[in-house]
Amino acid sequence: KAGVTQTPRYLIKTRGQQVTLSCSPISGHRSVSWYQQTPGQGLQFLFEYFSETQRNKGNFPGRFSGRQFSNSRSEMNVSTLELGDSALYLCASSWGDTLNTEAFFGQGTRLTVV
Amino acid sequence: QQQVKQSPQSLIVQKGGISIINCAYENTAFDYFPWYQQFPGKGPALLIAIRPDVSEKKEGRFTISFNKSAKQFSLHIMDSQPGDSATYFCAAPRGANNLFFGTGTRLTVIP
Repeated sequence: KAGVTQTPRYLIKTRGQQVTLSCSPISGHRSVSWYQQTPGQGLQFLFEYFSETQRNKGNFPGRFSGRQFSNSRSEMNVSTLELGDSALYLCASSWGDTLNTEAFFGQGTRLTVV
Repeated sequence: QQQVKQSPQSLIVQKGGISIINCAYENTAFDYFPWYQQFPGKGPALLIAIRPDVSEKKEGRFTISFNKSAKQFSLHIMDSQPGDSATYFCAAPRGANNLFFGTGTRLTVIP
């Protein structure tokens, strides 16, 4: 059974640009959550999607957005990139139909903003 | 705002020793506390989780102990091996299907 797939693995962008990251969850999982991981702030929750609807949102500015498609694949977008957005962006998938089912992470997308 | 406090920040253990990592949480509406293991260049991998209708859960060399009244839970790694060297994160429910993570513990097991 394939795991969570995130693309691309690495990305270098310039300040002010925008970026789109993709996540394909484990087959059958309907919940996709996104996290930002940095050495200083650790793992921080961005948002969660379930059946194409955003169910939960973390404390990030509106430059961070996401969406989920009918096949449960999800994308997150960051507009007007800042140097501080450099981080590992992780996607986690779970069944999502009951509270706090186990979440499985992808390998992440390493975003570097220069 | 839920907070999860994890300690120690780093831990060095001899091969065969016991590694102990502690976490404390403030409040949670849901009873589910997972531990994740992360190797460099990889995403976190679910290691073991407890739903506190029990005070302890054991899977192989890994044990979670949970103290609901103290709002604390800990991970014990018995017979620690060099392959266990990784960063470990505890987590607590932030809400339905999303988590607050601890700051991580970098474990080094010396051969």
